[in-house]
Amino acid sequence: AQSVTQLGSHVSVSEGALVLLRCNYSSSVPPYLFWYVQYPNQGLQLLLKYTSAATLVKGINGFEAEFKKSETSFHLTKPSAHMSDAAEYFCAVSTSGTYKYIFGTGTRLKVLA
Amino acid sequence: GAGVSQSPRYKVAKRGQDVALRCDPISGHVSLFWYQQALGQGPEFLTYFQNEAQLDKSGLPSDRFFAERPEGSVSTLKIQRTQQEDSAVYLCASSLGGGGGNYNEQFFGPGTRLTVL
Repeated sequence: AQSVTQLGSHVSVSEGALVLLRCNYSSSVPPYLFWYVQYPNQGLQLLLKYTSAATLVKGINGFEAEFKKSETSFHLTKPSAHMSDAAEYFCAVSTSGTYKYIFGTGTRLKVLA
Repeated sequence: GAGVSQSPRYKVAKRGQDVALRCDPISGHVSLFWYQQALGQGPEFLTYFQNEAQLDKSGLPSDRFFAERPEGSVSTLKIQRTQQEDSAVYLCASSLGGGGGNYNEQFFGPGTRLTVL
C-alpha cells in the first residue's frame, strides 16, 4: 500500500523567497510521484511528475522536485515565489501496478508582498 | 476546450434528496475516475472505470453512492438520500490508457461542489 505525508498544512513565504513544500511517501514498490496545484474553485493541475527517469524533475511555472529514494521524499521547490503561486499544493503517489492516486492532505501556500 | 468537464459546478441539496453529478472525460480516454475531496483534505478515490466497466468501486462510502458509464464516455455519479457528510467537492479525472503505469496521467475536471443542507 502507498501513502503520502505532506508536512505543513500552511506555508507562508515572502515574494521572491524560496518555496519549499515537503512530501514524503511510503511505497513497497517503485513509485510514481506527482505534484498538483489547485487554485480556488478549480480542479487539479499537474505541476510535475516523477516516473523513474531523471530524479530531478522540472515542471511548469518554475517548479521542480527531486526524488530521493533514501529519504523517501519528493519535495517541491521554486527559487523565487510569485504572488500568483498562492494556491493549494497536493503531492500524490501511484505505482505501475495500480491506477489509484493516493493524495496527501495538501499544503496551502501563502505569498506575502 | 478539450479538457475534462463536470456539471453542475455547484449543487445545493436538502438532506434526503437524490443528486446526479456528470463528468465528460477527454475524448478517447479509456479510464475514468471519481474522487471525493472533503474540505481541507486531499482527494480520495471513489471508483474507477475502464471504458464502460466499473473495475473498482472500493472507495464508495456507502450503498447510497452509485456510478455508471454506460457507453464508455460520459459518467454519472449518483448519490441517493444525501446526508450532510456527503458535502464535498467531487472530482472526475480521465486518462488515456487502462490500468496503471507511466502513460496514464490523470487529467482532472474542475469538480462539482456539493452542499447538503
